[in-house]
Amino acid sequence: DIQMTQSPSSLSASVGDRVSITCRTSQSVSIFLNWYQQKPGKAPKLLIHRAVTLQSGVSPRFRGSGSETEFTLTISSLRPEDVAIYYCHHSYSTPFTFGPGTRVDLK
Amino acid sequence: QGNLVESGGGVVQPGTSLTISCAASGFTFTNHALQWVRQAPGKGLEWVAAVSYDGRDKYYAASVKGRFTVSRDNSKNTVHLQMTSLRNEDTAFYYCARDRSKTSSGSSLDLWGQGTLVTVSS
Repeated sequence: DIQMTQSPSSLSASVGDRVSITCRTSQSVSIFLNWYQQKPGKAPKLLIHRAVTLQSGVSPRFRGSGSETEFTLTISSLRPEDVAIYYCHHSYSTPFTFGPGTRVDLK
Repeated sequence: QGNLVESGGGVVQPGTSLTISCAASGFTFTNHALQWVRQAPGKGLEWVAAVSYDGRDKYYAASVKGRFTVSRDNSKNTVHLQMTSLRNEDTAFYYCARDRSKTSSGSSLDLWGQGTLVTVSS
């Protein structure tokens, strides 16, 4: 099974800061890596699919990059509504695994 | 854009069975694979099962294989998760989610339901 790690596990940043979250996989998943945002009490929301493609309707402040085993989600300018937990997820092969999540808070 | 509504959650005893369902609307159901993802209270997301657009291909997490069965009824735009031999560790919110494509490999989950809580406790 493909193992997923995310770093950092949590971060605090100020409004307007650039924020980056890294996801690493134990073996190559090509570009089949997705990013989700989950706010408290809500279902996850797809932000980025296939590593770099912004989901329709999602703010262009979110950007995905990477391939193979290392991927990054970047928020170009943090806003209060971005406070959430962010999960990476691969769909390369079953079992489809989620990363442990990164909690983003405001400083 | 579509909507998914889960139902059937509740409190059950260990060792018993429960079936939860997900009703879809607002999109062409047969154009999409569907998945179940769960989240124990305060914990992360765990993939549970996936079913292809035509119901022929089904995949399960090791933690539920042999106990859970995913199925879909394309005539009723519904997907079900039959859960047997339930354990305390199956306690979670269960989300139904839509794949962007007809199969789950290489895909992503672009529409989620609100979740249904399954509590396994004696």
